[in-house]
Amino acid sequence: DAKTTQPTSMDCAEGRAANLPCNHSTISGNEYVYWYRQIHSQGPQYIIHGLKNNETNEMASLIITEDRKSSTLILPHATLRDTAVYYCIVRPGGDDKIIFGKGTRLHILP
Amino acid sequence: GAGVSQTPSNKVTEKGKYVELRCDPISGHTALYWYRQSLGQGPEFLIYFQGTGAADDSGLPNDRFFAVRPEGSVSTLKIQRTERGDSAVYLCASSLGGGPSEQFFGPGTRLTVL
Repeated sequence: DAKTTQPTSMDCAEGRAANLPCNHSTISGNEYVYWYRQIHSQGPQYIIHGLKNNETNEMASLIITEDRKSSTLILPHATLRDTAVYYCIVRPGGDDKIIFGKGTRLHILP
Repeated sequence: GAGVSQTPSNKVTEKGKYVELRCDPISGHTALYWYRQSLGQGPEFLIYFQGTGAADDSGLPNDRFFAVRPEGSVSTLKIQRTERGDSAVYLCASSLGGGPSEQFFGPGTRLTVL
C-alpha cells in the first residue's frame, strides 16, 4: 500500500502558484520523498525528490516539514500544461520499486 | 537523447492468446522496471531488473506473467493465456542505478484483451 495521503483533486488558476500537499506520517529515516506527475496518455515524469532539506529545481520546489511527516510540492507559476495527476511517493534511496497511490488530479484553470 | 521506448504502442489480442511487450531502456541504465496501470489507478509495480537478473518480481500477479532481460538492456514482458483482466497500460521505466536515482518512464503499451 502507498504510504502517502493526498487530496483527490485540486484546482489552480493559471499563473498562480499550485501547492500540492502530501502526508507521510509513517516515513522512515532512510526514505526519500519523491514527486512524479502523469499527463494524460503519457508515462509518469519525475519532478523532484528530497530527504530532509527543501529542494528546488527548474520544475518545482519541495518543502518538507521538520518532522518529515508531510511535504508540499510547489509549482510557482502554473500553466495549462501542468494539468496532470501528481503522485507523492516515499521510497528508500537506491534502486527500488515505486509504490504509487492514486495521486492528486490537478486542474489548471484558464 | 532517446528516452525509454516501448513497442507496440497498442496491442489487441483475444482471450487465451500469448503476447510479448518490448521495452528499450535508456542506454547505460542498469535498472529496469515494469508497471501496469488500469484505468483511474496509479501504476502498479510488476518486476524490477538490475542488469540481467530480476531483483524483485514480487508484483507479478501469477505465473502467466514472465519477463526477461537477457543482455541487460532490452526487456520483454511475456503474458501467457491472456485474460480480459490483463487489459491495461503496461509501463516500462529505467534508471541509472545506485543511489536515489529517478526513473524515466516510457509511453506505455496499451493492451486490450477481447
